[in-house]
Amino acid sequence: TQLLEQSPQFLSIQEGENLTVYCNSSSVFSSLQWYRQEPGEGPVLLVTVVTGGEVKKLKRLTFQFGDARKDSSLHITAAQPGDTGLYLCAGYNFNKFYFGSGTKLNVKP
Amino acid sequence: GAVVSQHPSWVICKSGTSVKIECRSLDFQATTMFWYRQFPKQSLMLMATSNEGSKATYEQGVEKDKFLINHASLTLSTLTVTSAHPEDSSFYICSARRNQETQYFGPGTRLLVL
Repeated sequence: TQLLEQSPQFLSIQEGENLTVYCNSSSVFSSLQWYRQEPGEGPVLLVTVVTGGEVKKLKRLTFQFGDARKDSSLHITAAQPGDTGLYLCAGYNFNKFYFGSGTKLNVKP
Repeated sequence: GAVVSQHPSWVICKSGTSVKIECRSLDFQATTMFWYRQFPKQSLMLMATSNEGSKATYEQGVEKDKFLINHASLTLSTLTVTSAHPEDSSFYICSARRNQETQYFGPGTRLLVL
């Protein structure tokens, strides 16, 4: 079983604050994806990281893949209410995607 | 990003009936599609991997006779929930794999079985 644990599970912050979401596993993944999902909709792909130690930036979002390709983090700078949603990480191995438990983010105006 | 559609977006049915959900990749061919189930406030649970032209691969604990999957073309996979019961009520989401490590999700189908 390729388990991915996300922390925190829930996060409620004020607009303008910074936050980091973590995705950890004891398994090594060939790549890792981050998604954001809004209620009643499918997840939307934010980024794919492939190389250990890789850092990718998407506007105010910074994604990092751990050196050992077992963990990843998502950092949001100056969060906005539009960032509210369920953030999911997913590791890819053996032709499957294994999803993390999810982090529910609420950004209050 | 790529576009994946699902139809219907929501469905209400009586217990004992069968429901078919379609998943289409609109702008690329997908030899592999995935079907997930999501319970409220939870993450996605992989049900099965749908392979074009061959049988689907089901995850442990998922009844293949209950959740029939057909991937007849490179752009269409269908999930049929047979003899649906209230416990089958859920949010079903498909995804299409564009390349080795990238999948794009459909908007989901909410099923309510009365």
